[in-house]
Amino acid sequence: EPEVTQTPSHQVTQMGQEVILRCVPISNHLYFYWYRQILGQKVEFLVSFYNNEISEKSEIFDDQFSVERPDGSNFTLKIRSTKLEDSAMYFCASSHPRQGLYEKLFFGSGTQLSVL
Amino acid sequence: SQQGEEDPQALSIQEGENATMNCSYKTSINNLQWYRQNSGRGLVHLILIRSNEREKHSGRLRVTLDTSKKSSSLLITASRAADTASYFCATDGGGNDMRFGAGTRLTVKP
Repeated sequence: EPEVTQTPSHQVTQMGQEVILRCVPISNHLYFYWYRQILGQKVEFLVSFYNNEISEKSEIFDDQFSVERPDGSNFTLKIRSTKLEDSAMYFCASSHPRQGLYEKLFFGSGTQLSVL
Repeated sequence: SQQGEEDPQALSIQEGENATMNCSYKTSINNLQWYRQNSGRGLVHLILIRSNEREKHSGRLRVTLDTSKKSSSLLITASRAADTASYFCATDGGGNDMRFGAGTRLTVKP
């Protein structure tokens, strides 16, 4: 069964450093998403992306965050200058155009980001 | 706030029993979805129910939606130890985004 792939599974960085989290969505999906989950807390929406542009973003997704689909397969989340509070599990997701936006999302296994 | 809120926060049952989890939300929705998360893993979509539907089944799962009460329930029948996971409802807030509640942690004891 096709799946969303995220790399790395665990990323450790120093506060103030830039990180790029990588995702390979399912190949025939056209809607892409990033969510994050701080340990023991709820899964939080960050951003949705369609047709090479951001569809929606949450209040968490400030100027320090950006997303990109640099080629036909990858979808990345960049945090320009990481803060301690950015430490979380980051989930990439995608969905098929047969579904509507935000319907039946397929999630990757996540990247655990630890900011020291 | 647009996201659903599940209750109970935690539920512990014996294998073979039914598990019922509830979700309440505040704004109008186009659809409501239930997802499952095994510890430390990504979420898995279980079922989607649209605002004009009242009940939906998928295997051992039964979801109801009451838009007048802004609530939904997820019933897992004949639970198994492998059903142990966190269960989240997600609402689309009328199509603007999709937000999750805090989840119900289900433990099924063998």
